[in-house]
Amino acid sequence: EPEVTQTPSHQVTQMGQEVILRCVPISNHLYFYWYRQILGQKVEFLVSFYNNEISEKSEIFDDQFSVERPDGSNFTLKIRSTKLEDSAMYFCASSGLAEAGEQYFGPGTRLTVT
Amino acid sequence: GESVGLHLPTLSVQEGDNSIINCAYSNSASDYFIWYKQESGKGPQFIIDIRSNMDKRQGQRVTVLLNKTVKHLSLQIAATQPGDSAVYFCAENTFSGGYNKLIFGAGTRLAVHP
Repeated sequence: EPEVTQTPSHQVTQMGQEVILRCVPISNHLYFYWYRQILGQKVEFLVSFYNNEISEKSEIFDDQFSVERPDGSNFTLKIRSTKLEDSAMYFCASSGLAEAGEQYFGPGTRLTVT
Repeated sequence: GESVGLHLPTLSVQEGDNSIINCAYSNSASDYFIWYKQESGKGPQFIIDIRSNMDKRQGQRVTVLLNKTVKHLSLQIAATQPGDSAVYFCAENTFSGGYNKLIFGAGTRLAVHP
């Protein structure tokens, strides 16, 4: 069964450093998403991406965040200058539908900012 | 504004019993809802969905009920098993501008005891 994969599983970085979280969505999906989950809290929408551009972003997704699809398989989330409060699980998701449809989630990357 | 929330943070049940997890939403314009299961260290896993033109939908051992009058959603798990132990999130899918995003509730932890 196809699945979304994410690397690394755990990333530790120092405050102020740049990090890139990587995702490989399901191959025939066209819509991509990033969500984050601070420990013990709910999953929060960050950004959606389609046709090589951001389609929607939340207020969390400020200028420190960017997304990119550098090739036909990868989808990345970059945090330019990490803050302590960026520590969270980051989930990538993809779907094959524009309208309401099942989004498939990856296993997540745990980001720890020290 | 948009918000999706849960009534109970933790639900403990005996193996074999039926479980009911509840969720309230506030956006009366929402027309699509999903239940996700999240096991420790994993990403959200789709369980079942329901559109607003339905009151009930059944899957394998799971049933979702939607009451639009009171903006309430519930997930019923029949004959709960230890493998059902996880955090369950309801999510509201919003579709705007041609794209969709998920707004998650706070989550309910289901603990199944033998």
